[in-house]
Parts: sequence; structure tokens; C-alpha cells
Amino acid sequence: GENVEQHPSTLSVQEGDSAVIKCTYSDSASNYFPWYKQELGKRPQLIIDIRSNVGEKKDQRIAVTLNKTAKHFSLHITETQPEDSAVYFCAASKVGGGADGLTFGKGTHLIIQP
Amino acid sequence: DSGVTQTPKHLITATGQRVTLRCSPRSGDLSVYWYQQSLDQGLQFLIQYYNGEERAKGNILERFSAQQFPDLHSELNLSSLELGDSALYFCASGDRRGYTFGSGTRLTVV
Repeated sequence: GENVEQHPSTLSVQEGDSAVIKCTYSDSASNYFPWYKQELGKRPQLIIDIRSNVGEKKDQRIAVTLNKTAKHFSLHITETQPEDSAVYFCAASKVGGGADGLTFGKGTHLIIQP
Repeated sequence: DSGVTQTPKHLITATGQRVTLRCSPRSGDLSVYWYQQSLDQGLQFLIQYYNGEERAKGNILERFSAQQFPDLHSELNLSSLELGDSALYFCASGDRRGYTFGSGTRLTVV
């Protein structure tokens, strides 16, 4: 089955700097790659996603890039703010026909230093 | 409110007992997914149901089972509970547009 590796496990950046979280996946048939943000004690919330027919997607300060050949994708957060502090999870799945459960990475704890 | 409802929010029970967690998906969603989140394991996919039928199984123990009813709500049954089953259990519903998670049930086994 699919295996998703995520790193780093902890990332500390100064407020205003950029943060990058990287993930790799093993199943070349995976075609949907969402990112979730989870604040302490709360549910994971989708912040951005990308499909395999797109190389990059942006939403304000957040962007995701996908390299299908290398089977890796990354989350970029620019101009980080204190409210960006949370655990971020990447995930991968095959959407369309059959099982499409998400396989998650183990998460990155992002700490924004004031 | 995400539209995905999970009950109860908290559950404390003893080892060896059996509990049932309930999830109502977002209106219009046919799929329900169950995940277990413990401190050292991240989000582990347990099982998926689609329109009443099991579609995929992940790392679900034999002591655990689930079902989805005609009204599309789903129940996750955990039996012969062990201390290591203490975790947050999330359900999610969605489709190709993406998942939405419920607020979770925090299970504590003592």
C-alpha cells in the first residue's frame, strides 16, 4: 500500500520567515495530495490540496508543489504568523474508482517564534 | 461546524470493555472514513465505508469493527479494550473534492 514520509518532524522559524515541509510518497498511482492543519486538541482541517495534473497551487501565503517524477510534494508558508503554529499533515490517495482512503505522513510540528 | 458529527466527545472506560463511537457524515457525502490518532502514530487509517458497504481496510485490529447504516451514519465498535487503544478517533466524510473531519472522540482506557 501507500507509504508517506514527512519531514521535518519539528520546524521552528522566526515570525515573518518562510517554512517548508516536504513529503514523499511511494505509490505512483496516487493522484490527490492534501495538506491538513491541526491545532492542539482540534480536528485536522484541510488547508490546501493538489491533484496530479497540476504542478503548483497557491492560496494567499500558502503554496503546494508536486513533482510526480520524484514522487514528492511540499508545503510552503510565507510570511509566517503566530497563528500558523500547529501540526501539519501531508497525505496521499488515489481518488476515483475504489478505495480512496488518505494515507497520512506523521506530521510536522511548526513553531513560529515571535 | 464541519458538518461531520461525532459522539461522544469523550469516553473513559476500563480495560476489557466494549464501546461504540458514532459518526454522522456531512450532508450528501456517501463515504465515511475512520482514523485513529495516538501521540506516537499520527493519523492511522482504519476503515472506509461507501453507501453502506465496506470499501477499504487499513490498520484496523480484529477487535475493532464498523458498519454504515442506511441513513449513512457509521459506528465504530471497539472491543476487549486495552490501554494502548487510548487515542483520538476521528471520522471523516467526503468525496473527490476532499475530506472533512469531525471533532473526534477521545477514548481513554484505564
